[in-house]
Amino acid sequence: QVQLVQSGSELKKPGASVKLSCKASGYTFSNYGLNWVRQAPGQGLEWMGWMNPNTGNPTYAQDFRGRFVFSLDTSVRTTYLHISNLKAEDTAVYYCARFHSTYNFDYWGQGTQVTVSS
Amino acid sequence: QSVMTQPPSVSGAPGQRVTISCTGSSSNLGAGYDVHWYQQLPGTAPKLLIYGNRNRPSGVADRFSASMSGTSASLAISGLQAEDEAEYYCQSYDSSLTAYVFGTGTKVTVL
Repeated sequence: QVQLVQSGSELKKPGASVKLSCKASGYTFSNYGLNWVRQAPGQGLEWMGWMNPNTGNPTYAQDFRGRFVFSLDTSVRTTYLHISNLKAEDTAVYYCARFHSTYNFDYWGQGTQVTVSS
Repeated sequence: QSVMTQPPSVSGAPGQRVTISCTGSSSNLGAGYDVHWYQQLPGTAPKLLIYGNRNRPSGVADRFSASMSGTSASLAISGLQAEDEAEYYCQSYDSSLTAYVFGTGTKVTVL
């Protein structure tokens, strides 16, 4: 069965960096893009961008260009989200989600809580 | 700020039917991009509920149905059950933003 398993919660200080992971299993990894979605406390879902597993090319939503970097290691079927210069407003749950062929998100990871606090 | 608007909350008694609207614009739903719906139970990841405007993935109860017309879409839940209490989001693609976008979300409360 398709599974996306994300890394555990992170507590970081402002200005630090963090790298989150999302490991895929149960399907042909190269056939489906992987997305990142942010959910701030008490807020809605925000699409951050996606990673093409065939080309290794990332695509970023406008608000996530700069401090947010996606990467990929196909040998371990894992995509990563690196956030640098963390700010308090980066406190959120970050989800990875697989692209379905009709451009929706059919499988989701369990989410990773990132808390930025001094 | 989302480009697709949903009512903040809807409520209904068990067994009733509730509907959730999703209002977009000419650059997303009005441009012919599909709408999809997600259910997010408290403290959990979203789950795909409806894809391609009106299709249910395997395992989703047929109490959930959806439709789309012009720049608006709607999700209906019939025979409301306590387990349906959750946040619901619509999602599509916006050509002006060149981004996948979610609606503002609707909290469904079962009275």
